[in-house]
Amino acid sequence: AQSVSQHNHHVILSEAASLELGCNYSYGGTVNLFWYVQYPGQHLQLLLKYFSGDPLVKGIKGFEAEFIKSKFSFNLRKPSVQWSDTAEYFCAVNAGAAGNKLTFGGGTRVLVKP
Amino acid sequence: GAGVSQSPSNKVTEKGKDVELRCDPISGHTALYWYRQSLGQGLEFLIYFQGNSAPDKSGLPSDRFSAERTGGSVSTLTIQRTQQEDSAVYLCASSLGQGFETQYFGPGTRLLVL
Repeated sequence: AQSVSQHNHHVILSEAASLELGCNYSYGGTVNLFWYVQYPGQHLQLLLKYFSGDPLVKGIKGFEAEFIKSKFSFNLRKPSVQWSDTAEYFCAVNAGAAGNKLTFGGGTRVLVKP
Repeated sequence: GAGVSQSPSNKVTEKGKDVELRCDPISGHTALYWYRQSLGQGLEFLIYFQGNSAPDKSGLPSDRFSAERTGGSVSTLTIQRTQQEDSAVYLCASSLGQGFETQYFGPGTRLLVL
């Protein structure tokens, strides 16, 4: 069965700092990869996704992620965070064998101090 | 356009009672998913509907859980004889259903079983 690991459960940083959140998955075949964000009191929203093509994917709000197939990783990055980036971030995968359902990582809570 | 809607927003029930949670997907989306978000288990897949195909029920945790999708649109998730461990946020998502594509999430129903 596929699984997704997010190594950092909590991250605290100051505004203008750079952010990188790790995501690793276990599945040997073709995967589709997603990062979702949940701002306080709001529902899950898509930040970015990778289906195929350029492994460096750019999403909304200045976020990007890089798919490294050899490392089974899809890390999320933002060069300079803002207080409004305080949220919980979820990496998710769907893979052919599992159908369309998403398998989520445990989430990373990010707190950006003003 | 309108997003995925769910009702009720919050539900408090007593242990042993049955509850029904409703999801209205985005118009034109043929795929509908239910997930559960709880403190101990993170975000878990429950069930997936695609058009008129038999649903993928592989994520339902017990036979107390069931779901229907009437007319290819609205879905109802029913939990019978609720237990305290059923307390969670129940999320619905929908997608176009033409392959592996983005799932759009609703705001969720927060269920508390006393």
